[in-house]
Amino acid sequence: NAGVMQNPRHLVRRRGQEARLRCSPMKGHSHVYWYRQLPEEGLKFMVYLQKENIIDESGMPKERFSAEFPKEGPSILRIQQVVRGDSAAYFCASSPLGQGAYGYTFGSGTRLTVV
Amino acid sequence: AQSVTQLDSQVPVFEEAPVELRCNYSSSVSVYLFWYVQYPNQGLQLLLKYLSGSTLVKGINGFEAEFNKSQTSFHLRKPSVHISDTAEYFCAVSSQGGSEKLVFGKGTKLTVNP
Repeated sequence: NAGVMQNPRHLVRRRGQEARLRCSPMKGHSHVYWYRQLPEEGLKFMVYLQKENIIDESGMPKERFSAEFPKEGPSILRIQQVVRGDSAAYFCASSPLGQGAYGYTFGSGTRLTVV
Repeated sequence: AQSVTQLDSQVPVFEEAPVELRCNYSSSVSVYLFWYVQYPNQGLQLLLKYLSGSTLVKGINGFEAEFNKSQTSFHLRKPSVHISDTAEYFCAVSSQGGSEKLVFGKGTKLTVNP
């Protein structure tokens, strides 16, 4: 039973390019969450999704960031026109229905570097 | 709103010494509490969690934590650390009743020296 799969593990983008981060939840998990870890900081909640629905995006920056979790395929976190301040580790977690935060399993993260 | 304060950003200890990593939280509602460990360039691994019941929680790798409601604390302890325990440790909180989000502290870097 594979865990939460994130790819790529490392991503380098030039300023102004787009970054796409992928997350495949654990088998049987229907809820996906994205968190961002800036240098020397803890993780900060960004967005919570279920299949084809964004449930809570209160932690997402208002511009350039978007997330989706389509009926088929992984969840995608998309950052348009990246800037140096977007350099961070982005973690995805998944959870079974009804368990919320106490059912989380985290992926290994994608480390985004903007040059 | 909830917040988590990890009182020490860095904790150096010698191998086989005991260690305590401190965590205090603030919340207007009842909470669940968690400790996660992050090894260099890795994801987060759950060490232990407090949901209800006994206030002393045992986790993996010999770690334990004690929930103290009156002091709003959830300190992590290990009686004898190993070099392999060198990592960053994060305390986190979520609201009881099905909250979907975790609120994290800024982390404590534990360095175990030979």
